[in-house]
Amino acid sequence: AQKITQTQPGMFVQEKEAVTLDCTYDTSDQSYGLFWYKQPSSGEMIFLIYQGSYDEQNATEGRYSLNFQKARKSANLVISASQLGDSAMYFCAMREAPNTGGFKTIFGAGTRLFVKA
Amino acid sequence: GAVVSQHPSWVICKSGTSVKIECRSLDFQATTMFWYRQFPKQSLMLMATSNEGSKATYEQGVEKDKFLINHASLTLSTLTVTSAHPEDSSFYICSGEVNTEAFFGQGTRLTVV
Repeated sequence: AQKITQTQPGMFVQEKEAVTLDCTYDTSDQSYGLFWYKQPSSGEMIFLIYQGSYDEQNATEGRYSLNFQKARKSANLVISASQLGDSAMYFCAMREAPNTGGFKTIFGAGTRLFVKA
Repeated sequence: GAVVSQHPSWVICKSGTSVKIECRSLDFQATTMFWYRQFPKQSLMLMATSNEGSKATYEQGVEKDKFLINHASLTLSTLTVTSAHPEDSSFYICSGEVNTEAFFGQGTRLTVV
């Protein structure tokens, strides 16, 4: 069974500083994808960044980077130069490799980030 | 990125009535769509996988007769909550796929009174 673990229910960060949100995963698949999504209070899910299990380099998207450590099965999200608008819920997610049923994405419990002015 | 439109964004209904939620892929064809449920301050829980032209695949513990899913075309999947009860009140959100990426609808906040 696959599992996503986010151990930080809430995190505080000072504006303009960097913050790391932790995510560990458990899977027996060799091929999988890891995602981070942001969910503001409006409820919409905003895609931030993607890392494939075979990607050798860590993914980066603007101020977001994913610290992928395959052997440790961790995929931490690093947000640099935090902004007040970054305050939201952040979910780590994993998609399993397709078999007979196609892709399926499972989500971690989430981390609520608070950016302080 | 691709756009998934979900409607309505919120709905209040009386206990015992049925509610239909629509999920449309506006600029891509979605042979597969996913329906999630999210309780307040909790994560998204996958309810079912909606497959165009065939029956949906439900996750364990999800009542297929209560949560009816229809995926009649490549751009539309619907979730109908039948005989809704207050415990069905939740945030429902759908997603469609393009390559490796999932695109989510805006979500529907259902309140059953």
